[in-house]
Amino acid sequence: DIQMTQSPNTLSASVGDRVTITCRASQNINTWLAWYQQKPGKAPKLLIYKASSLESGVPSRFSGSGSGTEYTLTISSLQPDDFATYYCQQYNSFRTFGQGTKVEMK
Amino acid sequence: QLQLQESGPGLVEPSETLSLTCSVSGGSITSGSYYWGWIRQPPGKGLEWIGSIYYRGSTYYDPSLKGRVTMSIDTSKNQFSLKLTSVTAADTAVYFCAYDSSGYYRYWGQGTPVTVSS
Repeated sequence: DIQMTQSPNTLSASVGDRVTITCRASQNINTWLAWYQQKPGKAPKLLIYKASSLESGVPSRFSGSGSGTEYTLTISSLQPDDFATYYCQQYNSFRTFGQGTKVEMK
Repeated sequence: QLQLQESGPGLVEPSETLSLTCSVSGGSITSGSYYWGWIRQPPGKGLEWIGSIYYRGSTYYDPSLKGRVTMSIDTSKNQFSLKLTSVTAADTAVYFCAYDSSGYYRYWGQGTPVTVSS
């Protein structure tokens, strides 16, 4: 099984900050990685797929990068609507989610 | 745009079988070459993948649940279903159905809470 580990678990930030979340896979996942945003009581929302492809309708302040076993999600300038929990998910072999990173207000 | 809606009992007794259905609208469950998936989220915890089913019936499940989980598809009703046997309190979660776009989930249902308790 492929394990996905996100860091940090919680991130405190202010509006306008540049935010970076890291996701590490236990083996090479060949950029088969997606990122989601989830708000309380809601279903996750797809942000990024294939490590760096921006989903239609998602603001361009969100970007993804990485290869092999290490990937990042970057929010270039944090907006009030971006306070949420973010998950990575690999789909190289079956599917596995990371444990989540909560972005909270500093 | 696809819309998905989960339905099923909100309370299941321990050792019984959890059964949920996902109804798909806005498109045919047989269109494309994609899968349909189930994901769950225990209270206060992260997302857990359960499994996916292809419209022709092939399935693959999370190894930790294999043996307890069965997914099926009803093309006549544009629905797919989840059955999880021998449930325990650890199976208490919000269960989501979703459209598996070749690995990632583009469209999700709103989620349905299921509690395992006597």
